[in-house]
Amino acid sequence: TQLLEQSPQFLSIQEGENLTVYCNSSSVFSSLQWYRQEPGEGPVLLVTVVTGGEVKKLKRLTFQFGDARKDSSLHITAAQPGDTGLYLCAGARTGANNLFFGTGTRLTVIP
Amino acid sequence: GAGVSQTPSNKVTEKGKYVELRCDPISGHTALYWYRQSLGQGPEFLIYFQGTGAADDSGLPNDRFFAVRPEGSVSTLKIQRTERGDSAVYLCASSFGGAGYEQYFGPGTRLTVT
Repeated sequence: TQLLEQSPQFLSIQEGENLTVYCNSSSVFSSLQWYRQEPGEGPVLLVTVVTGGEVKKLKRLTFQFGDARKDSSLHITAAQPGDTGLYLCAGARTGANNLFFGTGTRLTVIP
Repeated sequence: GAGVSQTPSNKVTEKGKYVELRCDPISGHTALYWYRQSLGQGPEFLIYFQGTGAADDSGLPNDRFFAVRPEGSVSTLKIQRTERGDSAVYLCASSFGGAGYEQYFGPGTRLTVT
């Protein structure tokens, strides 16, 4: 059982559309990270959010950490085929060294 | 610079056999993690090393799984009497320290138990 649930599990959209991926938990995290993973590779860190309510932007990607630090969202504007991949959220908890990963959202952007 | 490397990239073994998976972390990284990623799931924590010692092995599913890092660099994950349910991608990550430091992941070893 994973602490973080992501939705949707699968998402297929046309190039140019916007999308939002959600990462939810009943647990509080000291920080939350978003990763992107491509086939045959390990996850690559996109961003870390630390403060409740924090919003970070990375080009067309906007990340938000919930006020209570239990949830997060990733919004992609004008999706491109290069955005295709598995998006994973991962939380860090006080007292634990490891990351707790979400269930993943597999995004496909169709040209 | 070189990232985290893992060998082999793929391993197919028969049920009941013993396997070893190797991880070469980024030079200078004292922390090393093993995760397991089943099909369609996010990675799940197995074990964490700080230097040579296993600081947290709470994620190992049972006593068939064991990992070592004898010189504080390369780590080997060992699985005895493999079962079909062990089939997964085994990911290794390293970082400069423990909590709060960015973890850099290797490409993983895909283990298939037939």
